[in-house]
Amino acid sequence: GDSVTQMEGPVTLSEEAFLTINCTYTATGYPSLFWYVQYPGEGLQLLLKATKADDKGSNKGFEATYRKETTSFHLEKGSVQVSDSAVYFCALSAVSSASKIIFGSGTRLSIRP
Amino acid sequence: DTGVSQDPRHKITKRGQNVTFRCDPISEHNRLYWYRQTLGQGPEFLTYFQNEAQLEKSRLLSDRFSAERPKGSFSTLEIQRTEQGDSAMYLCASGEEAHLVFFGSGTQLSVL
Repeated sequence: GDSVTQMEGPVTLSEEAFLTINCTYTATGYPSLFWYVQYPGEGLQLLLKATKADDKGSNKGFEATYRKETTSFHLEKGSVQVSDSAVYFCALSAVSSASKIIFGSGTRLSIRP
Repeated sequence: DTGVSQDPRHKITKRGQNVTFRCDPISEHNRLYWYRQTLGQGPEFLTYFQNEAQLEKSRLLSDRFSAERPKGSFSTLEIQRTEQGDSAMYLCASGEEAHLVFFGSGTQLSVL
């Protein structure tokens, strides 16, 4: 079935470091891809999305490009801040079941001042 | 509009008791979803409503679980004869389209 695999955490970086969180997926057809973020004590929020191959989603300095050839959707940010500390979830909305979103297990990110 | 609202935020119950959670979606959203999230894992899909119709249920949703959305607005999720394995965060989400949904803050269930 459809699934998402993402980089295990926790990931700890210094402020202003470059961030990459890897995500790969398995799906039939061409799913939509998402990154969600969960800040401490808050609910899940959509960070960015891409609905077709080669699309780039971006928001708050984060970017991810839908790579069909490598079935990947890696999350990147050029310079992280302490306020980026959160749990990040890669997810897909499958063509075969457009009503549900399938999530990866999450990557906890901690940024040191 | 204050977003997706879930009640209660926390629920502690004894094994074997029944519990019911409520979700109030964003008012114009016709899609409503329930997910379950355990510690260190991503949310897992439980069930989906389009207006008042329950269109999809996960095999995770055993016979002890039932969800309703009687008038296509708020929804309830009931768990009968709770077990310790039911302890989790129960998340509700709503949306107007499949690829853009908004999550509530969840109900944390602890079964003792």
